[in-house]
Amino acid sequence: DIHLTQSPTTLSASVGDRVTITCRASQSLDTWLAWYQHKPGKAPNLLIFQASSLGPGVPPRFSGSGSGTVFTLTISSLQPDDLATYYCQQYNNNWTFGQGTKVELK
Amino acid sequence: EVQLLESGGGSVQPGGSLRLSCAASGFSFSNHAMTWVRQAPGKGLEWVSSISVSGATTFYSDSVKGRFTISRDNSNNTLYLQMNSLRVEDAAIYYCAKSPKRVIAYFDFWGQGTLLAVSS
Repeated sequence: DIHLTQSPTTLSASVGDRVTITCRASQSLDTWLAWYQHKPGKAPNLLIFQASSLGPGVPPRFSGSGSGTVFTLTISSLQPDDLATYYCQQYNNNWTFGQGTKVELK
Repeated sequence: EVQLLESGGGSVQPGGSLRLSCAASGFSFSNHAMTWVRQAPGKGLEWVSSISVSGATTFYSDSVKGRFTISRDNSNNTLYLQMNSLRVEDAAIYYCAKSPKRVIAYFDFWGQGTLLAVSS
């Protein structure tokens, strides 16, 4: 099974900050990786697919990069609406999620 | 407008059974692979099970294999998850999610979820 490790587990930042979350895979994923935003009580929302393609309706302040075993999700300028938990998910070999990164206000 | 509406959650005792449903609308259900994902209290997202567009091919996580059965009714645009031999660790919010195409890949739309509690 492919294991995904996200870092950090919790991230404290201020509005306007550039925020980066890393996802490391236990084996190569090529670019078969997606990112989701999840707020309490809401449905998860697709942000990025194929490592760097922006999901439908997702603001351009979100971007994804990487290939192989190391991937990043970047929020160029953190907004109050971005406070949430973020998950990476691989679909190279079955399907698994990272453990999540909670983004909080500093 | 795409909609996925889960139902069937509730409280059951360990060893019990329950069937979850997910009613789909706003897209061509029979042309999209479907998946169940769960989130236990205080935990992250966990992939549970996926099904092909025809229903002929199914996949399960090791934690539910042999106990859960995923199925779909394309004539009624509904996804199901039959859960048997339930354990305390199965307690979670269960989400249904659609893939953007016929291939099970990432999940471009999710329902709001239905809550399963398992306790004696």
